[in-house]
Amino acid sequence: AQSVTQLGSHVSVSEGALVLLRCNYSSSVPPYLFWYVQYPNQGLQLLLKYTSAATLVKGINGFEAEFKKSETSFHLTKPSAHMSDAAEYFCAVRYGAGSYQLTFGKGTKLSVIP
Amino acid sequence: DGGITQSPKYLFRKEGQNVTLSCEQNLNHDAMYWYRQDPGQGLRLIYYSQIVNDFQKGDIAEGYSVSREKKESFPLTVTSAQKNPTAFYLCASSIVGSTGNSPLHFGNGTRLTVT
Repeated sequence: AQSVTQLGSHVSVSEGALVLLRCNYSSSVPPYLFWYVQYPNQGLQLLLKYTSAATLVKGINGFEAEFKKSETSFHLTKPSAHMSDAAEYFCAVRYGAGSYQLTFGKGTKLSVIP
Repeated sequence: DGGITQSPKYLFRKEGQNVTLSCEQNLNHDAMYWYRQDPGQGLRLIYYSQIVNDFQKGDIAEGYSVSREKKESFPLTVTSAQKNPTAFYLCASSIVGSTGNSPLHFGNGTRLTVT
């Protein structure tokens, strides 16, 4: 079955350090890719999406993600972590333009240490 | 401002009772979805609807029912047949288009606790 994998259910970084959250998909045909952020007891907010116009996608709050077809990856990065980045992050994929469903990874909880 | 409203935010029920979660959107989106979220399991699709009066089962539809009588509304009923109903429920919507990069827009969720 086609799926999406997020490596690491918990990631801790120091304030000001690089944030790297990993996402790998499982299809030979590049899917449509998204990153969402969720703060406690809230819904999901779109951070960015891959549109095939460029492999490096910039999103909100200083986050960006790079699509690498050879590695089937779409990792999320931010150069310098801020305390307000502490949240749970979800990678999601849609396989095929005609599909309405998004398949979500299990999420990575990011902690930022002062 | 356009958005998705889920109500109530917290819901408590006794085991054996059916309960209906409300989801309303004013984004003029054709497609609506219900996801269930449990700690460490990500989001799992319960039901989705692409158009009024039509809906399809997702991955974990057993014990749930939905209706789509209006474009703006997609209520979810958690029936007594659902074995583990305690969870965080998220409603979402999206446009229906020819490209696959239209994102889902989410409400703020309803946390259901059944005892």
